Amino acid sequence: GDSVTQMEGPVTLSEEAFLTINCTYTATGYPSLFWYVQYPGEGLQLLLKATKADDKGSNKGFEATYRKETTSFHLEKGSVQVSDSAVYFCALSDRTKAGNNRKLIWGLGTSLAVNP
Amino acid sequence: GAGVSQSPRYKVAKRGQDVALRCDPISGHVSLFWYQQALGQGPEFLTYFQNEAQLDKSGLPSDRFFAERPEGSVSTLKIQRTQQEDSAVYLCASSAPSGRGPDTQYFGPGTRLTVL
Repeated sequence: GDSVTQMEGPVTLSEEAFLTINCTYTATGYPSLFWYVQYPGEGLQLLLKATKADDKGSNKGFEATYRKETTSFHLEKGSVQVSDSAVYFCALSDRTKAGNNRKLIWGLGTSLAVNP
Repeated sequence: GAGVSQSPRYKVAKRGQDVALRCDPISGHVSLFWYQQALGQGPEFLTYFQNEAQLDKSGLPSDRFFAERPEGSVSTLKIQRTQQEDSAVYLCASSAPSGRGPDTQYFGPGTRLTVL
């Protein structure tokens, strides 16, 4: 079945460092790919998404490119801030599922701590 | 409010008790999802509604779990005879299919269930 694999955390960085969180996927159909973020004490929020190969999603300085050839959707940010400390989840949604069910299949999450 | 709300936010139950978790989706959202998130894990799909129809319940872990959405708006997830392994955060998400691609799922804050 479909699955998502994320790099394990926790990741600890200093402010203004470069961030990469790796995400790879396995899917039989044509998935859409997502990054969600969960800030401390808050619910899951969509960070960015990409719907087809070579699409780049971006938001709040974060970027991820849908790479079909490597089945990857790595999250990057050039200069992290303390406020980026959160748990980041990679997820996929397979558009071919019957009944219009586009349930999300999730990675385990990667905890990021940014120190001043 | 404009977002997805869930109640209660925290629930402590004794083993064997029945619990009911409520989700109020964003007004007008057709699709509603329930997920279960164990500590340190990514969310796992439980069930999906399109309006009042439960189109996919393949993720419900046992027949002790039951979900309904009788009028196509508010949904209730019921767990009968709770067990310790049911302890988790239960997440509700809603989305409004646009027909133009993947639908962003908006998440509520979750209900943290602890079974003693």
